[in-house]
Amino acid sequence: SQQGEEDPQALSIQEGENATMNCSYKTSINNLQWYRQNSGRGLVHLILIRSNEREKHSGRLRVTLDTSKKSSSLLITASRAADTASYFCATDAGNRDDKIIFGKGTRLHILP
Amino acid sequence: GAGVSQSPRYKVAKRGQDVALRCDPISGHVSLFWYQQALGQGPEFLTYFQNEAQLDKSGLPSDRFFAERPEGSVSTLKIQRTQQEDSAVYLCASSSPSTRQPQHFGDGTRLSIL
Repeated sequence: SQQGEEDPQALSIQEGENATMNCSYKTSINNLQWYRQNSGRGLVHLILIRSNEREKHSGRLRVTLDTSKKSSSLLITASRAADTASYFCATDAGNRDDKIIFGKGTRLHILP
Repeated sequence: GAGVSQSPRYKVAKRGQDVALRCDPISGHVSLFWYQQALGQGPEFLTYFQNEAQLDKSGLPSDRFFAERPEGSVSTLKIQRTQQEDSAVYLCASSSPSTRQPQHFGDGTRLSIL
């Protein structure tokens, strides 16, 4: 079962533009993470935001978390061709163990 | 240092055959996870180990799926009597006990059942 749902499912933008992806989840969480997956490769961790945090930055990435709406957004500024990938949010569903549940992902395509 | 290594990268098997997929986690990582990823979908949790103990196997789709980590390092996911619906990418991830998250992923094994 999927805990998170990303929106949109697919996104194409011009290089240099900003890309925004959203994630909604169902149950209370301890933290939420975003991962990137290039075609044919494993997932790479981008950023983790804890339930008591509202915003976090890492380089060109900005993540927000609204626990009242059970939603998060990932913003990639000044997109580059190398940002073309699938992006997944993952939550721990409030568990105390290490298990996390992934959404279905947003497929981002950066046009040259 | 070396990341998570999975082998083989590609596996083709005939329906009904047994397959074994291997995962070498990052040295010292206590937690190890297996996921199944269908085309165009997110990874679906299969099972989770802490050292050699299998703490959660709730995601295994049937009793044809079996995972082990006998010495708390390398893990093997075995699928018996494979079916076409088993075709997917199988991802392994490991994480450090001190940070718990994030998980570090291997590049997966793409399994095709003919």
